[in-house]
Order: sequence, then structure tokens, then C-alpha cells
Amino acid sequence: DTEVTQTPKHLVMGMTNKKSLKCEQHMGHRAMYWYKQKAKKPPELMFVYSYEKLSINESVPSRFSPECPNSSLLNLHLHALQPEDSALYLCASSQTGTGEEEQYFGPGTRLTVT
Amino acid sequence: AQSVSQHNHHVILSEAASLELGCNYSYGGTVNLFWYVQYPGQHLQLLLKYFSGDPLVKGIKGFEAEFIKSKFSFNLRKPSVQWSDTAEYFCAVILYSSASKIIFGSGTRLSIRP
Repeated sequence: DTEVTQTPKHLVMGMTNKKSLKCEQHMGHRAMYWYKQKAKKPPELMFVYSYEKLSINESVPSRFSPECPNSSLLNLHLHALQPEDSALYLCASSQTGTGEEEQYFGPGTRLTVT
Repeated sequence: AQSVSQHNHHVILSEAASLELGCNYSYGGTVNLFWYVQYPGQHLQLLLKYFSGDPLVKGIKGFEAEFIKSKFSFNLRKPSVQWSDTAEYFCAVILYSSASKIIFGSGTRLSIRP
């Protein structure tokens, strides 16, 4: 099983809402990632978890709050977002988080903030 | 700052034509190199990767890439494209010094005329 799943596929939320994105993998990977991808742009790294600990935060605003409850799950909690946060949010995983690894990407959650 | 450049933003080819997509990176140290592809409506997937050894690497679906260290380049090639190769192609680099962090190029949209 080389699949990373993400739920929901689509999410529309108002600027005062609180919502969460979920990502799951069952490949035994110990590194998980959140990326943001705007239309016609490359993915931009937001957060990296390695062995359930946050190892990289790319200066992401605090209205995005990641959580890694266990090695298979990664959540992204959203609160008080802005319309410019509308994007495709991608989750990825890799074996241990070293550079000599392929990252496996999920299909993404398309988020619209109204 | 480290960066990855893909100079071709949109390439249009006819079926059976040969393909070469350019990728250059700006970093003097050791890097690991990747090409990812995003087919319409699908998630990012790995085409090929280079970590060390033979600078000519072969990937899936008949793609190959050549690492030329002196030119800081990692160009993607395919001798004969098919309509099904229509997709967005991203070159990506991981700096050896920051193991988890992928830097993506801006992407090249490839359109194949049947």
C-alpha cells in the first residue's frame, strides 16, 4: 500500500470557522509533511513532522496548527483563515525524513475560504 | 537563497516528438534531485530521482534525466511523447544540509497534441 489519503476532498469555510484537514498513511513512514499549492504554482512546504515531532515550520501563520497524534496520522487545524489561504493542501510522507527518500503525496484537500 | 528554475513554463508538442525539459538549481553543495509529475486531477507522483552514481537516471514511463554537476542542471528527456504525457512536471531539489525540505521549481505544463 503506497497510498496517502486525505479528507475531506473539498472544504468551504468562512473566515470565523474552525475546521481540520486529515491525512493518513499506512506505509510505516515516520516523516509527514504539509504543503500548500496555489493554482499553477509549485507546492510550498509548510510543516514537517519527523517521528511525531515537529521538525520544520516554514514561518506559517498561527491560524494553521499542525498535529501529529501518531505515526500514521497528520492533522492540520484551521482557524480564522483569510480568503488568500484558499488553495490545495497536500500531505506527503516519507520513510524517515532524510534527503535520500521519495515523498509520497496525497490527492490534496481543496480549500475555499469565503 | 537556494532556488530551482524551470525556464519552460508551457511546452506544446505533437505525439511522437522528443521532449527535453530544463531544470537548473542554485546551490553549491550536495543535492538530491527529483522530477515529479502531476497528471490532470491526480496527485503528485515521482518520475525519477538522482542521489549519486550514474548521472543518467531512468524513471517510469520511458522518462530519463541527466545530472550535469558543472551546469547545475537536471534536464528531463523522453524520446517520443504520447498524449497521455500531458501533465505538469516539477523539478525538485533536496539540499543535503536540510534533509527534509524539498524545493520545487515553478513547473512546466506539457500539452501533447494527438
